[in-house]
Parts: sequence; structure tokens; C-alpha cells
Amino acid sequence: NAGVTQTPKFRVLKTGQSMTLLCAQDMNHEYMYWYRQDPGMGLRLIHYSVGEGTTAKGEVPDGYNVSRLKKQNFLLGLESAAPSQTSVYFCASSYSFPEHTEAFFGQGTRLTVV
Amino acid sequence: TQLLEQSPQFLSIQEGENLTVYCNSSSVFSSLQWYRQEPGEGPVLLVTVVTGGEVKKLKRLTFQFGDARKDSSLHITAAQPGDTGLYLCAGPPEGQNFVFGPGTRLSVLP
Repeated sequence: NAGVTQTPKFRVLKTGQSMTLLCAQDMNHEYMYWYRQDPGMGLRLIHYSVGEGTTAKGEVPDGYNVSRLKKQNFLLGLESAAPSQTSVYFCASSYSFPEHTEAFFGQGTRLTVV
Repeated sequence: TQLLEQSPQFLSIQEGENLTVYCNSSSVFSSLQWYRQEPGEGPVLLVTVVTGGEVKKLKRLTFQFGDARKDSSLHITAAQPGDTGLYLCAGPPEGQNFVFGPGTRLSVLP
């Protein structure tokens, strides 16, 4: 079982470049999330989706955009990367909101912006 | 200001020792979850506690939710190297979105 798959696993960007992080889940979950993890900060929610075609802002949405065109995929875009976006990014999915059910996480994408 | 604080930030112990890590908040939480994250991996859910005063056991791990639902603890008995990882607490403060704490990084030395 694949679960939640993120691509790529590592990426180095120059300031101002753009990129898209891909997340795919095969558990038929309605809810999907993008988090960033920084030392001493825990996981912070960037954007989330409660179903195909819907997206909503999380705690730290600035500088990011997302799309959920298909139920199984959730894309995170950086239009103009900044060094402050250097982080480890995690995608997750769940059947319902995370306080009611288990959230399953991908392995992460380590992004460095130079 | 983080809604969830965790202590200690780092903990290094020998195999066989017992330990307790803490998760605290000034807010009331409707539930709290504990996750463990191993290096290079995403977090994996260990347990969800819902009722104030609730105690749940998972083999050598004991989780407790405070009576006032503002804090939680994780106690590990006879720690093993396989327990090494980042322990995260998480939950929704009443009326707010789900949040994660900063984590306790545990290292169990053989």
C-alpha cells in the first residue's frame, strides 16, 4: 500500500524560481493538508482541502498556492521562492478532520532556497 | 506564541530507563493526539485522548490527558533504541484549528 506519496523528496531552488510539490494518496480520503516543519516550530499548516475542488488557508499560507483538481492529488505551488521557504514540507490526508481520525503523512520534501 | 508547549525539548537516556515527556497549553483542548516521527519520515499517530483524566496504554507507552484538558503526558517504561524519535502532541484548541506542538526529540542509547 502506497498511502501518501510526495514528489520530489529533495529540491534546491534559487530565489525567485517557481516549483510545484506533488502529493498523491490512494486511501480515498476527502481531507488533504500541506504542512511545513521547521526546527523548534513543529508542523504548521499551510493550506488544506476538505474535498475535490476545494481549498482553504491554514496558519501560514503566504507565498504558497494549492490546487485539488482530483480527489487523490493535492498540489502545493511556490510562485517565487524565498529563502524563508527553506523547510521540510509534509503532505497528509485523512478521512475526516484530524481530531476525529488518523492523519497519514508522506515522507516529506526537503526544500532549500538559495 | 505556540498554543502547545512541549518539554523537554531534547532528552537522551540509556536503554532500560523510564521517561516522561509533557505537552502543555493555556487553552482547553477537545482532544489531544500524540505522534512519533522518525528521521526522514512523516509523523505516525500513536494515540488520541478525548476525555479529561483519560489514561491510555500502548505496550510500554502510557498516555494521560489532564483533568482540565489543558495538558497531556507520555510515559515510556524501559525505553528501547526503537523508541528514538520526535514525539509531537497535537490537537484543536476549542474554537480553533488543529495545531502541533514543537516536539520532544528523544534519543535512547543502547
